Amino acid sequence: GAVVSQHPSRVICKSGTSVKIECRSLDFQATTMFWYRQFPKKSLMLMATSNEGSKATYEQGVEKDKFLINHASLTLSTLTVTSAHPEDSSFYICSATLTGWDTEAFFGQGTRLTVV
Amino acid sequence: EDQVTQSPEALRLQEGESSSLNCSYTVSGLRGLFWYRQDPGKGPEFLFTLYSAGEEKEKERLKATLTKKESFLHITAPKPEDSATYLCAVQAGFSGGYNKLIFGAGTRLAVHP
Repeated sequence: GAVVSQHPSRVICKSGTSVKIECRSLDFQATTMFWYRQFPKKSLMLMATSNEGSKATYEQGVEKDKFLINHASLTLSTLTVTSAHPEDSSFYICSATLTGWDTEAFFGQGTRLTVV
Repeated sequence: EDQVTQSPEALRLQEGESSSLNCSYTVSGLRGLFWYRQDPGKGPEFLFTLYSAGEEKEKERLKATLTKKESFLHITAPKPEDSATYLCAVQAGFSGGYNKLIFGAGTRLAVHP
């Protein structure tokens, strides 16, 4: 299967600072990437869908100004958590598909964000 | 509203004790049902995709089946290395032009020697 790399795997930041998480498709061009958030022992909750070269589509209840998504190339999408607060601490996971209509998604390893 | 429910929430098995995990779904126009394995602190690892009722797929000790209302993940003679959280997800029609995955909460499987 295709490889999706997510970086960093763990990050600790101070409250009020911003953190950027990268998601790269290593061996394929990903037209569409998805960002999820997962709380302990809970399901993956879709935050937003990003399409290369266009604005991300956010799910209801997700703050666009808080979670900035950029998909500037076919192999890279970034999620920036701005002015992070302890309640933003979570496990963030990205996935990528060849096109938005592909049925198979490939997931990154996830990023554990801790805001202190 | 599209919904995915997995049961049981947690399952403890002895090595070699076969069992099944359930994924019930309510969606408007199923395009695909996915099973993933997730180890602690890792992203989901793809296992199977099922597209239509009656379809079955196998991989080593795992077998996935699909009906119009639910899917089962059968684990035959499990080993401790099969311990993980198993996630079920569905893709339902088109939403805003993109195939979103709707995940269940998962079943945490622990296999003891």
